[in-house]
Amino acid sequence: GAGVSQSPSNKVTEKGKDVELRCDPISGHTALYWYRQSLGQGLEFLIYFQGNSAPDKSGLPSDRFSAERTGGSVSTLTIQRTQQEDSAVYLCASSYRGGFSGRAYNEQFFGPGTRLTVL
Amino acid sequence: AQKITQTQPGMFVQEKEAVTLDCTYDTSDQSYGLFWYKQPSSGEMIFLIYQGSYDEQNATEGRYSLNFQKARKSANLVISASQLGDSAMYFCAMRESSASKIIFGSGTRLSIRP
Repeated sequence: GAGVSQSPSNKVTEKGKDVELRCDPISGHTALYWYRQSLGQGLEFLIYFQGNSAPDKSGLPSDRFSAERTGGSVSTLTIQRTQQEDSAVYLCASSYRGGFSGRAYNEQFFGPGTRLTVL
Repeated sequence: AQKITQTQPGMFVQEKEAVTLDCTYDTSDQSYGLFWYKQPSSGEMIFLIYQGSYDEQNATEGRYSLNFQKARKSANLVISASQLGDSAMYFCAMRESSASKIIFGSGTRLSIRP
């Protein structure tokens, strides 16, 4: 089926505004991740959803960031009162299952990302 | 705390040569997974290869192999017979069994010369 999709592909906003980024994972994938990638940098983990378990929010940089996943499928990352340092590419990934079980767990399929620019 | 180190910010390699991208990691867990991703200039992240800490043999996926040296805590990626399409950023990553998040290294930019 289709891969991971993200929308919008690009978002330009003014400092102080709220933004919502959407991720639609691969159907049947129970695990969903959000990452942030600043220019020329590696990926920074933000949050992880696995099935109906409580999400791991340990990577969220501040309380301005929040995420939800409705019905075990689509996820929305919300950034409130955006700051210029929030400018980055936000990547979503999904994998078939959670739990530590080799490639099936670790093979994450990434979406194309949302490029967020805060002016 | 888990940590991934990639010491080569950039590499240039002649087409058809083999190349090794270095990765060292730090963890106190006995059970963990290591893997490599490729990120071309288009920005997509492409899974390349996975190695479990208890896997006795080095992982291989086509032209990619992972040189896993557990005692040295290294997980180098070897690309045989490099191709122009291999030019990209390469990220090493690790997940401990006790953690849900995956930690990525800072990446190595590989450029293949024709």
